[in-house]
Amino acid sequence: DTGVSQNPRHKITKRGQNVTFRCDPISEHNRLYWYRQTLGQGPEFLTYFQNEAQLEKSRLLSDRFSAERPKGSFSTLEIQRTEQGDSAMYLCASSLFRGKGFESYTEAFFGQGTRLTVV
Amino acid sequence: GEDVEQSLFLSVREGDSSVINCTYTDSSSTYLYWYKQEPGAGLQLLTYIFSNMDMKQDQRLTVLLNKKDKHLSLRIADTQTGDSAIYFCAETPPFYNTDKLIFGTGTRLQVFP
Repeated sequence: DTGVSQNPRHKITKRGQNVTFRCDPISEHNRLYWYRQTLGQGPEFLTYFQNEAQLEKSRLLSDRFSAERPKGSFSTLEIQRTEQGDSAMYLCASSLFRGKGFESYTEAFFGQGTRLTVV
Repeated sequence: GEDVEQSLFLSVREGDSSVINCTYTDSSSTYLYWYKQEPGAGLQLLTYIFSNMDMKQDQRLTVLLNKKDKHLSLRIADTQTGDSAIYFCAETPPFYNTDKLIFGTGTRLQVFP
């Protein structure tokens, strides 16, 4: 397994255009997360899936953002009508979640991210 | 609010120890983490600690947790130039069935010869 893969690595788009990013998690991982990281800041949680179900969405995720994980494997994050403020690194992570508790810790593995620049 | 705070910058001489500090928000957080981010690379988990522990040691890394003050620190012994990176602390909220990460702003560690 090569780890979490994200495509594309870089995307430059004009303001108002739609963009879509893809994340391929580690194959046996049931959870998949999207984070956004702007320059000089730590990653901020956007949303996550358990298998194909989207279980939580951050208030950062405006109506222009939509994420899917149709078959519980890869995921896509689409941004419609991009704005300059959407420029950021979009990070994907996956984990094998076995429930909360001190004995059930699992690690989230991150991809290298997709850097979006809106001009 | 969900603000995990870190100092922005730390500069140390090669061979010295580095201590990176973090103040987190929720004393009920189950797990606390340290991640490393190098240019062009993804986030790499360095170590984590359960909230029922005070200290964890892993080779050159020592994590100290003070739950009363909600303070987490990472000590890197014998710091090397390859340790130069941005270090993030993170926590997971205590709510059942969520393991999203809440990250700090990051501390840029610069190691000079």
